[in-house]
Amino acid sequence: AQSVTQPDIHITVSEGASLELRCNYSYGATPYLFWYVQSPGQGLQLLLKYFSGDTLVQGIKGFEAEFKRSQSSFNLRKPSVHWSDAAEYFCAVGSGGYQKVTFGTGTKLQVIP
Amino acid sequence: DAGVTQSPTHLIKTRGQQVTLRCSPKSGHDTVSWYQQALGQGPQFIFQYYEEEERQRGNFPDRFSGHQFPNYSSELNVNALLLGDSALYLCASSDSGGATYNEQFFGPGTRLTVL
Repeated sequence: AQSVTQPDIHITVSEGASLELRCNYSYGATPYLFWYVQSPGQGLQLLLKYFSGDTLVQGIKGFEAEFKRSQSSFNLRKPSVHWSDAAEYFCAVGSGGYQKVTFGTGTKLQVIP
Repeated sequence: DAGVTQSPTHLIKTRGQQVTLRCSPKSGHDTVSWYQQALGQGPQFIFQYYEEEERQRGNFPDRFSGHQFPNYSSELNVNALLLGDSALYLCASSDSGGATYNEQFFGPGTRLTVL
């Protein structure tokens, strides 16, 4: 069965600092991997996705993520965080076909001035 | 394009009651998935509907059922509500009818509180 682990429940960074959110997945085949962001009272917005090909994927809002098969990881990065990035971030893995998505428990990002 | 819409926004029920939540997919989408997001947790897959049939189901009891209409909108029904059913229920739609993977677009959710 597929699963996702986000080891950091809560992260605080200063505005302008770099950010890395960790994600490890478990899936037998080549996974479909996603990062979503959820602001309070909002639905989920897709930041980026990896299906195949280049292991470094670019997303919206200046985010990027790198797929490392040997480490079963898909960490999210941003070089300079803005106050508006404060939200909860979810890593997810999708099974091939039928789009069943398994989410991690999320990492809540706090940005301080 | 209104995107994925859900109704109602909030709902309060008591234990043992039944509830129906509604979802209208993004224009052009034919597949609807439902997720339950408990407080402090990630969303959990309940089931997915395509061509008015339940195509895939997560680890949820039969108290959770659904329906998809010819216009692709969908309902989630929960019977015999328990306190533990209190959560944000998210609907997601996509336009893939086959085995290829296309982006799911999420609605804002319905917040269900069971007292």
